Amino acid sequence: EAGVTQFPSHSVIEKGQTVTLRCDPISGHDNLYWYRRVMGKEIKFLLHFVKESKQDESGMPNNRFLAERTGGTYSTLKVQPAELEDSGVYFCASSQDWGRLNTEAFFGQGTRLTVV
Amino acid sequence: RKEVEQDPGPFNVPEGATVAFNCTYSNSASQSFFWYRQDCRKEPKLLMSVYSSGNEDGRFTAQLNRASQYISLLIRDSKLSDSATYLCVVLGAGTALIFGKGTTLSVSS
Repeated sequence: EAGVTQFPSHSVIEKGQTVTLRCDPISGHDNLYWYRRVMGKEIKFLLHFVKESKQDESGMPNNRFLAERTGGTYSTLKVQPAELEDSGVYFCASSQDWGRLNTEAFFGQGTRLTVV
Repeated sequence: RKEVEQDPGPFNVPEGATVAFNCTYSNSASQSFFWYRQDCRKEPKLLMSVYSSGNEDGRFTAQLNRASQYISLLIRDSKLSDSATYLCVVLGAGTALIFGKGTTLSVSS
């Protein structure tokens, strides 16, 4: 069974440009999460989808970030316009259940974004 | 105070050593607790959940102290393959997994 897949694995863009990251969760997982790790910092939560609905987007840093999950399958995270501080590794994760004990979140390999 | 705090690393130990990692969390309403492992330039993977009564999985033992808001991970008989970053993770009152910064373990022969 395929795990969580993310595309692209790496992206280098100039400040002011737009980048769109994609995540395909494990089939059948209603819950999809976006996380980000900025260099030297801990992995931080961005938002959580349950199917196509945003359950929690409290971690989104500002309105330059837009996440969608049309149809409740794959998700995209768009950064427009990108700033230098947006550089980091963006992880997507999915899980079958949430808010329960022993919920396991499966992570994708991440997209390494570099804004120059 | 950070939501999840871990021992600063790195921990450098010889093969066969026993090593313990500690973690504290700030939100007393937190419900679930985990240790994740992250290899260099890879994604985090669940190592084990942490139960109130403590639990063991082979060479790994996890403990939870709700009163002190403290979680630990003990690794016995360290192997070279245990070298990685260990992330303390807490499921808060909301829906987000909250990660500590991680503790790096390096096991040498």
